[in-house]
Amino acid sequence: DAKTTQPPSMDCAEGRAANLPCNHSTISGNEYVYWYRQIHSQGPQYIIHGLKNNETNEMASLIITEDRKSSTLILPHATLRDTAVYYCIVREVRRNTDKLIFGTGTRLQVFP
Amino acid sequence: DAGVIQSPRHEVTEMGQEVTLRCKPISGHDYLFWYRQTMMRGLELLIYFNNNVPIDDSGMPEDRFSAKMPNASFSTLKIQPSEPRDSAVYFCASSSFMTYEQYFGPGTRLTVT
Repeated sequence: DAKTTQPPSMDCAEGRAANLPCNHSTISGNEYVYWYRQIHSQGPQYIIHGLKNNETNEMASLIITEDRKSSTLILPHATLRDTAVYYCIVREVRRNTDKLIFGTGTRLQVFP
Repeated sequence: DAGVIQSPRHEVTEMGQEVTLRCKPISGHDYLFWYRQTMMRGLELLIYFNNNVPIDDSGMPEDRFSAKMPNASFSTLKIQPSEPRDSAVYFCASSSFMTYEQYFGPGTRLTVT
């Protein structure tokens, strides 16, 4: 079962920051937080991951609370092409257990 | 790199027929995953391989489903006999332990009538 809770849907105006929350209150010390997104009819796409420090890459920023029980994915300037389902996944990375368990995700709609 | 390649992209078949889905992972990746996505159940992991060896097949729905990885560059997912409830999009993904991220193929949309 997925170990995360996300709102089912969110809206965001084009050009504004999209902040997608995720709760993972049962996360353990050796589990990472991963974010993937799935644009309609395509395969999921990796966005970013982190353990306890905030992370930033060319696509997004990931803010993890100090107790690690929740996180927020930030798309700083949302575009129409960011409309997708965003999945927050908690995952332990060990050799031979490289599994991703997808939940229901958040459907982000970016509007003009 | 061309990314993960799946074939066919679309498959329509009649109930009772055998269906074979194919996947070519990214060169150098040592993990390969098969997922199924439906509206009702979302995205489910069916099976995954590490270095061509099946590691976890607990997501395979029943004996009608089988998956093989004869070498590092090819895997198949077979359904025999197929049923209408097998209609779904099937994704293949690959990863390397060193990269931590999975790369997904474009999927095969299977329709069983």
